[in-house]
Amino acid sequence: QQNVQQSPESLIVPEGARTSLNCTFSDSASQYFWWYRQHSGKAPKALMSIFSNGEKEEGRFTIHLNKASLHFSLHIRDSQPSDSALYLCAPLSGSFNKLTFGAGTRLAVCP
Amino acid sequence: GPKVLQIPSHQIIDMGQMVTLNCDPVSNHLYFYWYKQILGQQMEFLVNFYNGKVMEKSKLFKDQFSVERPDGSYFTLKIQPTALEDSAVYFCASSLEQGGNTEVFFGKGTRLTVV
Repeated sequence: QQNVQQSPESLIVPEGARTSLNCTFSDSASQYFWWYRQHSGKAPKALMSIFSNGEKEEGRFTIHLNKASLHFSLHIRDSQPSDSALYLCAPLSGSFNKLTFGAGTRLAVCP
Repeated sequence: GPKVLQIPSHQIIDMGQMVTLNCDPVSNHLYFYWYKQILGQQMEFLVNFYNGKVMEKSKLFKDQFSVERPDGSYFTLKIQPTALEDSAVYFCASSLEQGGNTEVFFGKGTRLTVV
Protein backbone atom coordinates (compact mmCIF):
# COMPACT_ATOMS: atom_id res chain seq x y z
CA GLN A 1 0.00 0.00 0.00
CA GLN A 2 1.64 3.20 -1.23
CA ASN A 3 1.83 6.07 1.29
CA VAL A 4 2.40 9.51 -0.22
CA GLN A 5 3.08 12.58 1.88
CA GLN A 6 3.43 16.16 0.66
CA SER A 7 4.95 19.18 2.35
CA PRO A 8 4.27 21.90 3.07
CA GLU A 9 0.45 21.81 3.17
CA SER A 10 0.30 25.41 1.99
CA LEU A 11 2.70 28.06 0.85
CA ILE A 12 2.51 31.77 0.11
CA VAL A 13 5.33 33.30 -1.94
CA PRO A 14 5.88 36.64 -3.66
CA GLU A 15 5.87 36.89 -7.42
CA GLY A 16 9.30 36.07 -8.83
CA ALA A 17 10.30 33.76 -5.97
CA ARG A 18 11.66 30.25 -6.31
CA THR A 19 9.21 27.72 -4.85
CA SER A 20 9.96 24.16 -3.71
CA LEU A 21 7.32 21.48 -3.12
CA ASN A 22 8.18 18.11 -1.61
CA CYS A 23 6.82 14.61 -1.88
CA THR A 24 7.81 11.36 -0.18
CA PHE A 25 6.54 7.91 -1.12
CA SER A 26 6.80 4.46 0.41
CA ASP A 27 6.76 1.98 -2.48
CA SER A 28 10.32 1.59 -3.72
CA ALA A 29 8.98 -0.26 -6.78
CA SER A 30 7.31 2.92 -8.07
CA GLN A 31 8.56 3.68 -11.53
CA TYR A 32 7.04 6.93 -12.76
CA PHE A 33 6.48 10.06 -10.77
CA TRP A 34 3.96 12.70 -11.75
CA TRP A 35 3.10 16.19 -10.64
CA TYR A 36 -0.44 17.41 -11.28
CA ARG A 37 -1.76 20.94 -10.87
CA GLN A 38 -5.37 21.80 -10.07
CA HIS A 39 -6.61 25.37 -10.36
CA SER A 40 -9.68 26.19 -8.34
CA GLY A 41 -12.82 24.69 -9.90
CA LYS A 42 -10.85 22.95 -12.65
CA ALA A 43 -9.78 19.39 -13.37
CA PRO A 44 -6.35 18.20 -12.14
CA LYS A 45 -3.94 18.52 -15.07
CA ALA A 46 -0.60 16.78 -15.51
CA LEU A 47 2.33 19.13 -15.21
CA MET A 48 5.41 16.93 -15.55
CA SER A 49 6.69 13.43 -14.96
CA ILE A 50 10.05 11.80 -14.36
CA PHE A 51 11.26 8.22 -14.62
CA SER A 52 14.95 8.20 -13.84
CA ASN A 53 16.82 9.46 -10.83
CA GLY A 54 18.04 12.99 -11.29
CA GLU A 55 16.55 16.14 -12.64
CA LYS A 56 14.20 17.13 -15.44
CA GLU A 57 13.53 20.72 -16.47
CA GLU A 58 10.67 22.13 -18.55
CA GLY A 59 10.59 25.91 -18.72
CA ARG A 60 10.30 27.34 -15.21
CA PHE A 61 9.57 23.92 -13.69
CA THR A 62 12.12 21.33 -12.50
CA ILE A 63 11.54 17.92 -10.95
CA HIS A 64 14.16 16.19 -8.79
CA LEU A 65 13.86 12.47 -8.09
CA ASN A 66 15.84 10.42 -5.59
CA LYS A 67 14.49 6.89 -5.51
CA ALA A 68 16.89 5.76 -2.79
CA SER A 69 15.53 8.34 -0.39
CA LEU A 70 11.94 7.86 -1.66
CA HIS A 71 11.69 11.56 -2.39
CA PHE A 72 10.81 13.77 -5.32
CA SER A 73 10.25 17.46 -5.55
CA LEU A 74 8.97 20.20 -7.81
CA HIS A 75 10.73 23.53 -8.10
CA ILE A 76 9.22 26.58 -9.73
CA ARG A 77 11.53 29.37 -10.84
CA ASP A 78 10.20 32.94 -11.13
CA SER A 79 6.80 32.04 -9.65
CA GLN A 80 3.82 33.80 -11.23
CA PRO A 81 0.34 34.54 -9.86
CA SER A 82 -1.01 32.11 -12.47
CA ASP A 83 0.96 29.35 -10.70
CA SER A 84 -1.42 29.68 -7.73
CA ALA A 85 -3.09 26.26 -7.49
CA LEU A 86 -3.16 22.95 -5.66
CA TYR A 87 -0.13 20.82 -6.56
CA LEU A 88 -0.51 17.06 -6.32
CA CYS A 89 2.31 14.53 -6.47
CA ALA A 90 1.48 11.04 -7.69
CA PRO A 91 3.88 8.13 -7.96
CA LEU A 92 2.66 5.46 -10.32
CA SER A 93 2.76 1.80 -9.34
CA GLY A 94 1.43 -1.48 -10.62
CA SER A 95 0.64 -2.45 -14.16
CA PHE A 96 -2.39 -0.35 -14.91
CA ASN A 97 -1.47 3.33 -14.52
CA LYS A 98 -2.52 3.41 -10.90
CA LEU A 99 -1.66 6.83 -9.51
CA THR A 100 -1.50 7.34 -5.74
CA PHE A 101 -2.03 11.01 -4.91
CA GLY A 102 -0.75 13.00 -2.00
CA ALA A 103 -3.02 15.43 -0.19
CA GLY A 104 -1.49 18.34 -2.09
CA THR A 105 0.31 21.61 -1.47
CA ARG A 106 -1.77 24.73 -1.93
CA LEU A 107 0.41 27.44 -3.45
CA ALA A 108 -0.48 31.13 -3.53
CA VAL A 109 1.77 33.52 -5.46
CA CYS A 110 1.15 37.13 -4.53
CA PRO A 111 1.78 39.91 -7.04
CA GLY B 1 -6.36 20.24 -25.03
CA PRO B 2 -8.18 16.94 -24.59
CA LYS B 3 -10.99 17.09 -22.04
CA VAL B 4 -12.81 14.60 -19.89
CA LEU B 5 -16.38 15.75 -19.24
CA GLN B 6 -18.35 14.75 -16.17
CA ILE B 7 -22.09 15.21 -15.89
CA PRO B 8 -23.59 16.45 -13.62
CA SER B 9 -21.17 18.49 -11.54
CA HIS B 10 -23.23 17.96 -8.40
CA GLN B 11 -25.81 15.32 -7.53
CA ILE B 12 -27.88 14.86 -4.39
CA ILE B 13 -29.45 11.48 -3.73
CA ASP B 14 -31.40 9.82 -0.94
CA MET B 15 -29.60 7.07 0.93
CA GLY B 16 -30.50 3.67 -0.46
CA GLN B 17 -31.27 4.94 -3.94
CA MET B 18 -29.25 4.13 -7.03
CA VAL B 19 -27.02 6.72 -8.69
CA THR B 20 -25.14 6.68 -11.97
CA LEU B 21 -22.25 9.06 -12.53
CA ASN B 22 -21.51 9.76 -16.17
CA CYS B 23 -18.18 10.46 -17.79
CA ASP B 24 -17.37 11.36 -21.38
CA PRO B 25 -13.69 10.42 -21.75
CA VAL B 26 -11.25 11.74 -24.35
CA SER B 27 -12.49 10.34 -27.65
CA ASN B 28 -9.64 8.02 -28.66
CA HIS B 29 -8.65 6.90 -25.19
CA LEU B 30 -8.75 3.24 -24.26
CA TYR B 31 -8.18 3.16 -20.49
CA PHE B 32 -10.66 4.59 -18.00
CA TYR B 33 -10.48 5.28 -14.29
CA TRP B 34 -12.53 6.45 -11.32
CA TYR B 35 -11.05 8.16 -8.26
CA LYS B 36 -12.84 9.17 -5.07
CA GLN B 37 -12.08 12.17 -2.87
CA ILE B 38 -13.78 12.53 0.49
CA LEU B 39 -13.92 16.14 1.74
CA GLY B 40 -10.57 17.17 3.21
CA GLN B 41 -8.79 14.00 2.10
CA GLN B 42 -6.67 13.01 -0.87
CA MET B 43 -7.96 11.61 -4.11
CA GLU B 44 -7.93 7.78 -4.00
CA PHE B 45 -7.97 5.24 -6.78
CA LEU B 46 -11.17 3.22 -7.16
CA VAL B 47 -10.97 1.25 -10.37
CA ASN B 48 -9.54 1.07 -13.87
CA PHE B 49 -11.24 -0.36 -16.91
CA TYR B 50 -10.01 -1.52 -20.29
CA ASN B 51 -11.57 -3.42 -23.16
CA GLY B 52 -14.84 -3.87 -21.32
CA LYS B 53 -13.27 -5.24 -18.16
CA VAL B 54 -12.17 -4.09 -14.74
CA MET B 55 -8.40 -4.49 -14.67
CA GLU B 56 -7.74 -3.44 -11.08
CA LYS B 57 -9.87 -2.19 -8.21
CA SER B 58 -9.12 -0.93 -4.72
CA LYS B 59 -10.75 -1.93 -1.46
CA LEU B 60 -12.81 1.28 -1.73
CA PHE B 61 -14.60 -0.25 -4.73
CA LYS B 62 -17.37 -1.92 -2.76
CA ASP B 63 -19.71 -4.60 -4.06
CA GLN B 64 -22.36 -1.90 -4.48
CA PHE B 65 -20.18 -0.23 -7.15
CA SER B 66 -20.09 -1.16 -10.80
CA VAL B 67 -18.60 0.36 -13.95
CA GLU B 68 -19.34 -0.03 -17.62
CA ARG B 69 -18.93 1.63 -20.98
CA PRO B 70 -21.68 0.26 -23.18
CA ASP B 71 -21.02 0.59 -26.94
CA GLY B 72 -18.20 3.12 -26.50
CA SER B 73 -20.49 5.75 -25.04
CA TYR B 74 -20.28 7.21 -21.53
CA PHE B 75 -18.08 5.51 -18.97
CA THR B 76 -20.31 5.14 -15.92
CA LEU B 77 -19.97 4.48 -12.23
CA LYS B 78 -23.11 3.07 -10.67
CA ILE B 79 -23.68 2.84 -6.94
CA GLN B 80 -26.61 0.70 -5.82
CA PRO B 81 -27.65 1.16 -3.08
CA THR B 82 -25.98 4.37 -1.94
CA ALA B 83 -24.78 4.89 1.64
CA LEU B 84 -23.96 8.07 3.55
CA GLU B 85 -20.23 7.30 3.33
CA ASP B 86 -20.44 7.41 -0.46
CA SER B 87 -20.67 11.20 -0.26
CA ALA B 88 -17.54 12.45 -2.03
CA VAL B 89 -16.23 13.97 -5.23
CA TYR B 90 -15.79 11.33 -7.90
CA PHE B 91 -13.20 12.03 -10.59
CA CYS B 92 -13.25 10.24 -13.91
CA ALA B 93 -10.05 9.92 -15.94
CA SER B 94 -8.84 8.39 -19.18
CA SER B 95 -5.59 7.64 -20.99
CA LEU B 96 -4.60 6.53 -24.44
CA GLU B 97 -2.15 3.88 -23.34
CA GLN B 98 -1.11 1.95 -20.27
CA GLY B 99 2.54 2.98 -19.96
CA GLY B 100 3.74 4.94 -16.96
CA ASN B 101 4.81 7.87 -19.10
CA THR B 102 1.32 8.23 -20.56
CA GLU B 103 -0.62 11.21 -19.28
CA VAL B 104 -3.86 10.45 -17.50
CA PHE B 105 -6.49 13.15 -18.15
CA PHE B 106 -8.99 13.98 -15.42
CA GLY B 107 -12.45 15.53 -15.41
CA LYS B 108 -13.55 18.24 -12.96
CA GLY B 109 -15.37 15.72 -10.81
CA THR B 110 -18.95 15.07 -9.74
CA ARG B 111 -19.79 15.97 -6.16
CA LEU B 112 -22.15 13.30 -4.83
CA THR B 113 -24.11 14.07 -1.69
CA VAL B 114 -26.04 11.21 -0.11
CA VAL B 115 -28.67 12.41 2.37
